[in-house]
Amino acid sequence: QVQLVQSGAEVKKPGASVKVSCKASGYSFTGYYMHWVRQAPGQGLEWMGWINPNSGGTSYAQKFQGRVTVTRDTSISTAYMELSRLRSDDTAVYYCARGEGSSIDYWGQGTLVTVSS
Amino acid sequence: DVVMTQSPLSLPVTLGQPASISCRSSQSLVYSGGDTYLNWFQQRPGQSPRRLIYKVSNRDSGVPDRFSGSGSGTDFTLKISRVEAEDVGVYYCMQGTHWPPRFGQGTKLEIK
Repeated sequence: QVQLVQSGAEVKKPGASVKVSCKASGYSFTGYYMHWVRQAPGQGLEWMGWINPNSGGTSYAQKFQGRVTVTRDTSISTAYMELSRLRSDDTAVYYCARGEGSSIDYWGQGTLVTVSS
Repeated sequence: DVVMTQSPLSLPVTLGQPASISCRSSQSLVYSGGDTYLNWFQQRPGQSPRRLIYKVSNRDSGVPDRFSGSGSGTDFTLKISRVEAEDVGVYYCMQGTHWPPRFGQGTKLEIK
């Protein structure tokens, strides 16, 4: 069965960076896009970007351009999302989600990132 | 960017009664190939989202048949024929036709 297992919760100071991992299993990692979506406390879902694990090509929402980098390691079927220059309003649960192109189906369990001085 | 507008944002429903959520997009979601990339997700309290419906009206495996999706162009609807206690949560529509992918604001379903 498809599983996306994310790394554990993080606490970071403003200005720092965070890198969240997402290990995929149960399907061909290079056959589907990997999306990153975040959810601030009590808020809705916000799409951040995606990676095509086959080519390594990426696409990011304009809001996060220059601050987010999504990478992958196909040898271990793992995608990564790094967000830099963290601010308090980056406090959120970050999800990876598999997608057939833009059509997201399976989601990871989420990783809480707390930004606090 | 395409704007996705859901209504209502809050939906109190009596157990066993039907429920309906509307999702409107600011542009047609019909892709050049003819498909319409409009999905519906359910997020139960404390859980990750789960896809219920893909491409407007296709139910995902394991999704109860009381859930149905319909619509075309810019107007879409998620219907629950008879609400059960396990349906409590927030429902999101999402478009994948135009870049960037975008979610609606979410509709919170609660039991009256």
